[in-house]
Amino acid sequence: KAGVTQTPRYLIKTRGQQVTLSCSPISGHRSVSWYQQTPGQGLQFLFEYFSETQRNKGNFPGRFSGRQFSNSRSEMNVSTLELGDSALYLCASSFGLGDTEAFFGQGTRLTVV
Amino acid sequence: QKEVEQNSGPLSVPEGAIASLNCTYSDRGSQSFFWYRQYSGKSPELIMFIYSNGDKEDGRFTAQLNKASQYVSLLIRDSQPSDSATYLCAVNRGNTPLVFGKGTRLSVIA
Repeated sequence: KAGVTQTPRYLIKTRGQQVTLSCSPISGHRSVSWYQQTPGQGLQFLFEYFSETQRNKGNFPGRFSGRQFSNSRSEMNVSTLELGDSALYLCASSFGLGDTEAFFGQGTRLTVV
Repeated sequence: QKEVEQNSGPLSVPEGAIASLNCTYSDRGSQSFFWYRQYSGKSPELIMFIYSNGDKEDGRFTAQLNKASQYVSLLIRDSQPSDSATYLCAVNRGNTPLVFGKGTRLSVIA
């Protein structure tokens, strides 16, 4: 069974640009959560989607947005990139909301220059 | 502000010893407690979860939960160099997002 797939694995963008990251959950999983990981702040929750609806949102500015499609694949978008957005963006897939096991993808390493 | 606190380490233990990793949390409404392991350059992977006070054992790993004192710990028996990684503690209230600590870096010395 395929794991969680995140694309692309690496990105380099310039300040002011926007970026879209993609996450394909494990087949049958309907919940997708996004996290930002930085050395200073650790893993911080961005948002969670279940059945195409955003169920929870973390304390990030409106430049961070996301969506989920009917096949449970999810995308997150960051507009007007800032240097501080450089981070590892992780997607976690689980069967349902608050499910015991959340499986993480390999992440997308975003570097803003 | 709901927080999860962990000592950043590094925690160094000799091969074969018991490694003890600790975590405290501020939200008394927390119901579920998780330990993730993250190797350098890799994504977190779930090791164990615990819901009830007491101990839960899985192979060389034991999770301990004390809700009254708001702490959860992970014991790794017979530590191996392959256990060297960052260990992340996470909690939630059930149907809520995981709140992670910043992790403790464990180094097992051969």
